[in-house]
Amino acid sequence: KAGVTQTPRYLIKTRGQQVTLSCSPISGHRSVSWYQQTPGQGLQFLFEYFSETQRNKGNFPGRFSGRQFSNSRSEMNVSTLELGDSALYLCASVEGLSPSTDTQYFGPGTRLTVL
Amino acid sequence: AQSVTQLDSQVPVFEEAPVELRCNYSSSVSVYLFWYVQYPNQGLQLLLKYLSGSTLVESINGFEAEFNKSQTSFHLRKPSVHISDTAEYFCAVRGNAGGTSYGKLTFGQGTILTVHP
Repeated sequence: KAGVTQTPRYLIKTRGQQVTLSCSPISGHRSVSWYQQTPGQGLQFLFEYFSETQRNKGNFPGRFSGRQFSNSRSEMNVSTLELGDSALYLCASVEGLSPSTDTQYFGPGTRLTVL
Repeated sequence: AQSVTQLDSQVPVFEEAPVELRCNYSSSVSVYLFWYVQYPNQGLQLLLKYLSGSTLVESINGFEAEFNKSQTSFHLRKPSVHISDTAEYFCAVRGNAGGTSYGKLTFGQGTILTVHP
């Protein structure tokens, strides 16, 4: 099976712009989670989608949003970019249909730099 | 809510020596536990997981971890490390509490393992 695909791998934006990141999960997986990784805050959960519905959300401002399509591909969007949004954004493809069996497999990430 | 503490931010060790990376967690509900490894400029790779059953879990490359419920720990061990094990290791926990647990892993701050020749 192919792994998790994230595009683009690298992105440079300026403050105030918006950005959209894409994630294609492993075939057959219906759930996707997103995380932000920074040197200062570490790995933080953004949100999770299952069957096109957001089921869980982390403590991020409303500038961070996401969606999932019927083919399980997911996008996340950050509007009005700030310098502090510079980070590695990781998507995880979730195997399993319940918390007792779920296992997350991560993509290579998108490195976002905000200037 | 859950929290994870990785007790060592950096662990230097010589090749072929044993290593233990320590992880403690806190949670008001039952948990599932994971170890991930991250190489430079890459995503996270699943190393091993505890979901149920035997409290001792093993990976294919010689790592093992033991879930200790009374001590709320999930330490990672390897009896003999290789240069190629040099990477950052993350302990993660997911709670079993329905909606607030869906898809959410809580990570420790990571331990950088450096294996010297």
